Amino acid sequence: DVVLTQTPSILSATIGQSVSISCRSSQSLLDSDGNTYLYWFLQRPGQSPQRLIYLVSNLGSGVPNRFSGSGSGTDFTLKISGVEAEDLGVYYCMQATHAPWTFGGGTKLELK
Amino acid sequence: EVQLVETGGGLVQPGRSLKLSCVASGFTFNNYWMSWTRQAPGKGLEWVASITNSGGSTYYPDSVKGRFTISRDNAQNTLYLQMNSLRSEDTATYYCTRARGFAYWGQGTLVTVSS
Repeated sequence: DVVLTQTPSILSATIGQSVSISCRSSQSLLDSDGNTYLYWFLQRPGQSPQRLIYLVSNLGSGVPNRFSGSGSGTDFTLKISGVEAEDLGVYYCMQATHAPWTFGGGTKLELK
Repeated sequence: EVQLVETGGGLVQPGRSLKLSCVASGFTFNNYWMSWTRQAPGKGLEWVASITNSGGSTYYPDSVKGRFTISRDNAQNTLYLQMNSLRSEDTATYYCTRARGFAYWGQGTLVTVSS
């Protein structure tokens, strides 16, 4: 199975600070169809996960453009350019290139 | 507006069965793969099952293969998850999601496996 390793596990930030979360895969996530099925989600306390980024770098509908995704192969990054209070919660990366589809362990973003 | 509404969760004894349902609206259901994803209390997310838009193919991780069955009724815009031989480690909130994009998630239904 593909293992996704997220770092850090806890991220403390102040409002307005820019932060990054890393997601490293145990194998390449480039599919034979040319797509890389790497997603980023935010789960706020008590809520269902919300998709932020799809196919590595595409911003989900209605997602603020302070969120951005980058990377290729096995190394991926989610960046938040200017944290806002509503961004607090747990961030997950997920791959759907290789079965079984797998999630990273999560990164909790909290206020410093 | 896309909506996914899960029902069917509850308390069940180990070894027993439970069937979850997810009613979809706001999109053409038979155009999309669908999936179930779960989250144990205080833990991370785990993909549980996926089904193609026609229902012709299904996929599972080893943790539930042979015990869980995903199915769909395209005429009723409904996704199902039949869970047999339930174990305590299956205790989780189960989310219905529209795959493969995962843009839409239901509110989840809690399944508790305990004697």
